[in-house]
Amino acid sequence: KAGVTQTPRYLIKTRGQQVTLSCSPISGHRSVSWYQQTPGQGLQFLFEYFSETQRNKGNFPGRFSGRQFSNSRSEMNVSTLELGDSALYLCASSSSRLAGGLMDTQYFGPGTRLTVL
Amino acid sequence: GENVEQHPSTLSVQEGDSAVIKCTYSDSASNYFPWYKQELGKGPQLIIDIRSNVGEKKDQRIAVTLNKTAKHFSLHITETQPEDSAVYFCAANTYQNSNSGYALNFGKGTSLLVTP
Repeated sequence: KAGVTQTPRYLIKTRGQQVTLSCSPISGHRSVSWYQQTPGQGLQFLFEYFSETQRNKGNFPGRFSGRQFSNSRSEMNVSTLELGDSALYLCASSSSRLAGGLMDTQYFGPGTRLTVL
Repeated sequence: GENVEQHPSTLSVQEGDSAVIKCTYSDSASNYFPWYKQELGKGPQLIIDIRSNVGEKKDQRIAVTLNKTAKHFSLHITETQPEDSAVYFCAANTYQNSNSGYALNFGKGTSLLVTP
């Protein structure tokens, strides 16, 4: 089974621009979560999508948004980029089949390295 | 949000020695505790996870222990090898609400160096 794929792997943008990142989950997985990784703040949860709906949201400004398509692929958008948005953006997929308040294992992609100049 | 504290931030051991990384969490509703290994230029890779209904889990040279009362869990790597060198992250799920379920909160990571 192919793993989680993310495109592009590297991206350079300037302040004020916007960017869209893409994530394809493991086949059969319906949940996609996005994380931001920086040296200072570590791994921080952005949001989770399940069946085309945002199910969870972390503590990030509204400039960060996402969506999920019917094939479970997900995109993340950041508008009006700031220097502090430079980070590794990771997506993780899970089957999300466990019930009763149990959390499924999340599998991460290689990430997209975003540099904002 | 809920915190996950991880110690130490760096750890250097000799090949063949054991390595122990410890984490504490604050959300008493947490019931899932995964450990990830991240190598340079790659995404985090799950190495082992434990749920709150067990106190210990082992997979070859890797073991995880969980103390729910004290809210801490630990990763143990025995017979370390140079290829174990990487950054290790612990995480705990945190309950958001009845509509959204859980999200993962991560520790800040431990950079493990295994010297031959």
